Amino acid sequence: IQLSQSPSFLSASVGDRVTITCRASEDTETHLAWYQQIPGQAPKLLVYRASTLQSGVPSRFSGGGSGTEFSLTISSLQPEDFATYYCLQMSIYPWTFGQGTKVDVK
Amino acid sequence: QVHLKESGPGLLKAAETLSLTCAVSGDSISGGSYYWSWIRQSSEKGLEWIGRVYSLTGSVNYNPSFQGRVTISVDTSKSQFSLKMTSVTAADTAVYYCARRKAVPGLGLDYWGQGIRVSVSS
Repeated sequence: IQLSQSPSFLSASVGDRVTITCRASEDTETHLAWYQQIPGQAPKLLVYRASTLQSGVPSRFSGGGSGTEFSLTISSLQPEDFATYYCLQMSIYPWTFGQGTKVDVK
Repeated sequence: QVHLKESGPGLLKAAETLSLTCAVSGDSISGGSYYWSWIRQSSEKGLEWIGRVYSLTGSVNYNPSFQGRVTISVDTSKSQFSLKMTSVTAADTAVYYCARRKAVPGLGLDYWGQGIRVSVSS
């Protein structure tokens, strides 16, 4: 299954509402997760089962969608949210990642 | 708190075999139903899932992209799992991560190692 994220790059300001989309080439039901990666660090799990927030993740993050269309929304961007975001499908082997969306400062 | 840490050589020559180990602490590697995975990240290909081993049975699943070059195994007595990749080339230069996922449908890879940078010289 191929995952396509859009946009690949996003410039935003603190306080902005940001939405990232992940499209799958086949139905993944809700077996999709979202990750945040800060340079030099491992990816960090934000959302699993498409819309369930991982423990400890701020409530400004939310995930949605099912099947082939998914989204990650940050309701009010904070300084620590400038990072790269990835989707990951675990519905069908091999598990595959999206190409990433880099969120940087406008 | 579960902690994963990768170890192995940082530099190899083309055609050699890469051997990496992921040490797991804070939880028993065989004490639950988990998938233990290897993932790598390069600037050319982004994040790639390499494969996983299932803790309870030792069953494995690999990414066909690696064309039979990889073997993942688990050593419960040492609380670690390993990756072997044969016939490496410069294209295998990447940061390699190990990660854990509970074997429950829909859950994510929740614990990751810090990553180990591997370079392959020609």
